[in-house]
Amino acid sequence: RKEVEQDPGPFNVPEGATVAFNCTYSNSASQSFFWYRQDCRKEPKLLMSVYSSGNEDGRFTAQLNRASQYISLLIRDSKLSDSATYLCAVNDGGNQFYFGTGTSLTVIP
Amino acid sequence: EAGVAQSPRYKIIEKRQSVAFWCNPISGHATLYWYQQILGQGPKLLIQFQNNGVVDDSQLPKDRFSAERLKGVDSTLKIQPAKLEDSAVYLCASSWDGAYEQYFGPGTRLTVT
Repeated sequence: RKEVEQDPGPFNVPEGATVAFNCTYSNSASQSFFWYRQDCRKEPKLLMSVYSSGNEDGRFTAQLNRASQYISLLIRDSKLSDSATYLCAVNDGGNQFYFGTGTSLTVIP
Repeated sequence: EAGVAQSPRYKIIEKRQSVAFWCNPISGHATLYWYQQILGQGPKLLIQFQNNGVVDDSQLPKDRFSAERLKGVDSTLKIQPAKLEDSAVYLCASSWDGAYEQYFGPGTRLTVT
């Protein structure tokens, strides 16, 4: 079983739509969780950390569900500029991180 | 604050040749990572350093890949000899320590012909 799994998509949504991605992890001892955004042919950039209490930054909301071992990313009022691949990263409870394969989002005019 | 620096940005070599990549992490970051990212996949960890010690190199193909971080700051990753399947983007990242968020450099795009 993979440490971290994501639905690769692609997700094609119209502008203004709300879209949500999930990322499941296998290690119940995991402590730190992050969402990254990666544009085509660019490096991953930190989008937001995921806290136990949830985290909101403008149109983006990240949540953690420890019982079911997944994190989620919700994007409201999608913009064309949100088109990218979204990667989740999960710490193993120690010093090692695992990245998902990414979920591709295309926002359509 | 300066970000993670990597060089070169692009490299084209023939199979069986050697290549080296360089990374300078964000100042003060103790943890340095090298990832391999093949098109359409997520980053795959090759090696993780904590200061100048190796934390994890379980996915590093040690018969051809080597990495060092001699003074606990910058790092080099070497491939010798390269194979066609090594064509990928090699990303360097750093963090305060292994439990904190990572920041990535721009990557080196390697093409092996």
